[in-house]
Amino acid sequence: KQEVTQIPAALSVPEGENLVLNCSFTDSAIYNLQWFRQDPGKGLTSLLLIQSSQREQTSGRLNASLDKSSGRSTLYIAASQPGDSATYLCAVSGAGSYQLTFGKGTKLSVIP
Amino acid sequence: DVKVTQSSRYLVKRTGEKVFLECVQDMDHENMFWYRQDPGLGLRLIYFSYDVKMKEKGDIPEGYSVSREKKERFSLILESASTNQTSMYLCASSSSGQEQYFGPGTRLTVT
Repeated sequence: KQEVTQIPAALSVPEGENLVLNCSFTDSAIYNLQWFRQDPGKGLTSLLLIQSSQREQTSGRLNASLDKSSGRSTLYIAASQPGDSATYLCAVSGAGSYQLTFGKGTKLSVIP
Repeated sequence: DVKVTQSSRYLVKRTGEKVFLECVQDMDHENMFWYRQDPGLGLRLIYFSYDVKMKEKGDIPEGYSVSREKKERFSLILESASTNQTSMYLCASSSSGQEQYFGPGTRLTVT
């Protein structure tokens, strides 16, 4: 059964820093990987989707990479801002399935 | 923009009541999903549907049922609500193999 781990569970950085969030998964036979953001008490906002054949995706200050063979993905956030404070979730879908298995998230705090 | 809406943001029900949570998407997506989110446990899939009238159990279907009579609408039903079903319920939709888009969530409290 696929398991997704996100470390650290919480991270606090000063404004302006570049940072990396980590995601690992146990079964490398994935269809795609998706990064989400969740603000307190709200739903999930999709940030980036990486198909299994891709190595990375970029959107603005966000860059996500995927190393399927080692079961890892990273989300790089450049020049962090207080508005980036949220919980970031990583999720993978298995080959032949559209179900997502989620990590428990990294809670990011960007201090002004 | 894709829009997924859920019928209520907050809901308070009594133990034993029948509860309906409604989800509507406006992008003609084939797939729809119901998750619950609990502190320390993360998001867990309850049920999903890949077509009208089709449904598949997720990881935690016990105590729940679903209905999909129209492509845009996916309902989650708690036949007899219990206190351990107090949770945040999130609906999502996707086109096959593509991004999942989530609704704002319904925070259900069962007393």
